[in-house]
Amino acid sequence: DAGVTQSPTHLIKTRGQQVTLRCSPKSGHDTVSWYQQALGQGPQFIFQYYEEEERQRGNFPDRFSGHQFPNYSSELNVNALLLGDSALYLCASSRDRYYGYTFGSGTRLTVV
Amino acid sequence: ELKVEQNPLFLSMQEGKNYTIYCNYSTTSDRLYWYRQDPGKSLESLFVLLSNGAVKQEGRLMASLDTKARLSTLHITAAVHDLSATYFCHLVNYGGSQGNLIFGKGTKLSVKP
Repeated sequence: DAGVTQSPTHLIKTRGQQVTLRCSPKSGHDTVSWYQQALGQGPQFIFQYYEEEERQRGNFPDRFSGHQFPNYSSELNVNALLLGDSALYLCASSRDRYYGYTFGSGTRLTVV
Repeated sequence: ELKVEQNPLFLSMQEGKNYTIYCNYSTTSDRLYWYRQDPGKSLESLFVLLSNGAVKQEGRLMASLDTKARLSTLHITAAVHDLSATYFCHLVNYGGSQGNLIFGKGTKLSVKP
């Protein structure tokens, strides 16, 4: 049974560019959350999707947007990249928000 | 402002010793999770604590939750080198308006022989 799958694993982008990260949740999970983890820090909550809607959002600017598809997979889009957006982006899925989260291996984004 | 504070942030232990990591939070919790993260890796779920007085144990790790004190602890018994990692507590509060899925800053544990 595949866990949470994220792609790509590593990415290098230039300031001002746009990026799309992808996440396939664990089988049976319908809720997807995205986190940003800077080096040496704890993960910061970006947003959570359920039933193709953004259900909760953390303190991130509108440059960060997302989408959830009917098959529960999700995308995270970041526009106008800044150097400070360099981080590990983690996707977590759960079977409804009341159950435990399973984290993917993350996408390491470097903005130069 | 919702806060989740872990301490200590760094912990160097000798093998065989016991120690406790503390996670204090500033609002009510619907549930609290503990995770382990190895360098360059993702997060591994350790425990989920749902109610006041909950206690979970797995091997040398035991987690507890006191919702009245707004405190969770992760106790390490007879530490071994394999426990070296960063440990995070994760507070989930669904009653809040925004972003109430907060991680602590993590405790970097190093177990030395």
